[in-house]
Amino acid sequence: DVKVTQSSRYLVKRTGEKVFLECVQDMDHENMFWYRQDPGLGLRLIYFSYDVKMKEKGDIPEGYSVSREKKERFSLILESASTNQTSMYLCASRLSTLRGQGDTGELFFGEGSRLTVL
Amino acid sequence: RKEVEQDPGPFNVPEGATVAFNCTYSNSASQSFFWYRQDCRKEPKLLMSVYSSGNEDGRFTAQLNRASQYISLLIRDSKLSDSATYLCVVSEWGAAGNKLTFGGGTRVLVKP
Repeated sequence: DVKVTQSSRYLVKRTGEKVFLECVQDMDHENMFWYRQDPGLGLRLIYFSYDVKMKEKGDIPEGYSVSREKKERFSLILESASTNQTSMYLCASRLSTLRGQGDTGELFFGEGSRLTVL
Repeated sequence: RKEVEQDPGPFNVPEGATVAFNCTYSNSASQSFFWYRQDCRKEPKLLMSVYSSGNEDGRFTAQLNRASQYISLLIRDSKLSDSATYLCVVSEWGAAGNKLTFGGGTRVLVKP
């Protein structure tokens, strides 16, 4: 089974602190994603990565950065946490999909990291 | 207008009944469609893909209507364990590759 592990289930931070959220997957997937999930807004894509050292902005990248130094690890960084970044953060991975190939669409998610910024 | 829209519910369903709900999408170029299930305080997991001809997986039936740009999920003979939030996911190719967009989810509560 694919396993996506997020380093922290619950975090409480203060405004202005730097926050690192770590995500590791064990299935050699090329693609990794960071989402945040908020009531009424669903899952929104923050950043994604198609390969080591590659990153692409998602729909809401402001206030976040990412790092992918190794294939299995994708980190989300909040340089200076703010209260509006209080949310559930979900990391996901999947196999690379080439245009024209069948897309299973299957994302494998971690259990999530619930961040509260005071 | 949101790219992928769902009725948030909740849909309160008696055990054994049938429930159906839709998801509309705005991009006519969308290629692939999926339903995910998310239990309370858990991560989303793939429930089923949605094929053009419609498809069934046990008590679950998914349909795609490209002309009206919506997909549907029908659950027959509802079980208590079907209580969850069902997320619609739409896939399309963009400049940066394959993009998945999630709907806000439809909450289903199955009651005895």
